[in-house]
Amino acid sequence: QVQLVQSGAEVQKPGASLMVSCKASGYTFTRETLHWVRQAPGQSLEWMGWINTGNGNTKYSQKFQGRVTITRDTSASTTYMELSSLRSEDTAVYYCVRQSGSSGFDYWGQGTLVTVSS
Amino acid sequence: QTVVTQEPSLTVSPGGTVTLTCASSTGAVSSGYFPNWFQQKPGQAPRALIYSTSNKQSWTPARFSGSLLGGKAALTLSGVQPEDEADYYCLLHYGGDWVFGGGTRLIVL
Repeated sequence: QVQLVQSGAEVQKPGASLMVSCKASGYTFTRETLHWVRQAPGQSLEWMGWINTGNGNTKYSQKFQGRVTITRDTSASTTYMELSSLRSEDTAVYYCVRQSGSSGFDYWGQGTLVTVSS
Repeated sequence: QTVVTQEPSLTVSPGGTVTLTCASSTGAVSSGYFPNWFQQKPGQAPRALIYSTSNKQSWTPARFSGSLLGGKAALTLSGVQPEDEADYYCLLHYGGDWVFGGGTRLIVL
């Protein structure tokens, strides 16, 4: 069965960087696009960007351009999302989401809570 | 900046029917926006319900359906169950970018 398992909760200081990982299993990793989405406390979902896990191409939301980097390690079936220059407004739950060519956005990771606080 | 708008809150009685909508600030929503719908309950990750306007995930109950209605994407729940009380989010595609709506809190009362 398809699973996306994310790394654990983090506490970071303002100005630091964070990296969240998302390990995929149950399907051929390089066949499907993976997206990153975040949700601040009590707020809506916010799309951050995606990575073509086959060729490594990426696309980022204009809001995060220059601060976010999404990468992947095909040997580990894992995608990574790095966000730099953290501020308190980056406190959120971060999710990876699979986009399948045949079933749209289907599987979500369990989420990673990131708290930015001095 | 593109804005996707949903009803903030809707209330429905058990067994009733309710339609949630998803509008784009750029104009009428068409199938080319590949509307997706998600359900989220408190403390849980979102769960996918509908993709590409009207296609259901294998786990989506039959009472959920997606469509285009009056220039918007729409999610209709027919025969609402108490367990359908949740937040619902739509997601639209804009040439490589994706934008979520603000979400609709569905109250079953």
